[in-house]
Amino acid sequence: NAGVTQTPKFRILKIGQSMTLQCTQDMNHNYMYWYRQDPGMGLKLIYYSVGAGITDKGEVPNGYNVSRSTTEDFPLRLELAAPSQTSVYFCASSYSSEQFFGPGTRLTVL
Amino acid sequence: KNEVEQSPQNLTAQEGEFITINCSYSVGISALHWLQQHPGGGIVSLFMLSSGKKKHGRLIATINIQEKHSSLHITASHPRDSAVYICAPEGSARQLTFGSGTQLTVLP
Repeated sequence: NAGVTQTPKFRILKIGQSMTLQCTQDMNHNYMYWYRQDPGMGLKLIYYSVGAGITDKGEVPNGYNVSRSTTEDFPLRLELAAPSQTSVYFCASSYSSEQFFGPGTRLTVL
Repeated sequence: KNEVEQSPQNLTAQEGEFITINCSYSVGISALHWLQQHPGGGIVSLFMLSSGKKKHGRLIATINIQEKHSSLHITASHPRDSAVYICAPEGSARQLTFGSGTQLTVLP
């Protein structure tokens, strides 16, 4: 199993551009999550999904959108990128216990 | 919202020392996770526990649900244990609230 994969690993965006961060898991997990980690800060939940077709907002959803059309994929969309969205983004999945994290995407908005 | 406090924020130890990291939270929970973030940024789950104590190798995690407190212990610490250790209580829909982490450095 590849576990949780994320693409891209790094990205630099200009203010106002948009992009999609991809997340895929091959463990048939129902629960999936998107977090952001700012320097020196704890992870914060952006959006989560409890199964295909179901998504909900976390603590910091503004400026982001998600979809969950399949169990495997949970893409995160940034519209109109802003410098405040410069962060490291982690995707995670779980079934009944521990969460499995992807390797992260380092995003810089200039 | 669950407020999570970890202590200490930074910890430097000599190889072989016994290490304790503490975590307190403000709201009742169903479970609590301990995570390790490697210097390269990757995050792995160490423990998920809802009561008592769990042990995995040199790592031990304990939780007191009534006191809203958990501890992570590392016995016979080693330089490869150097990482950030994160406490994360679990709420509804298995959502985690994360502490800001404890940066552990183990010197040879």
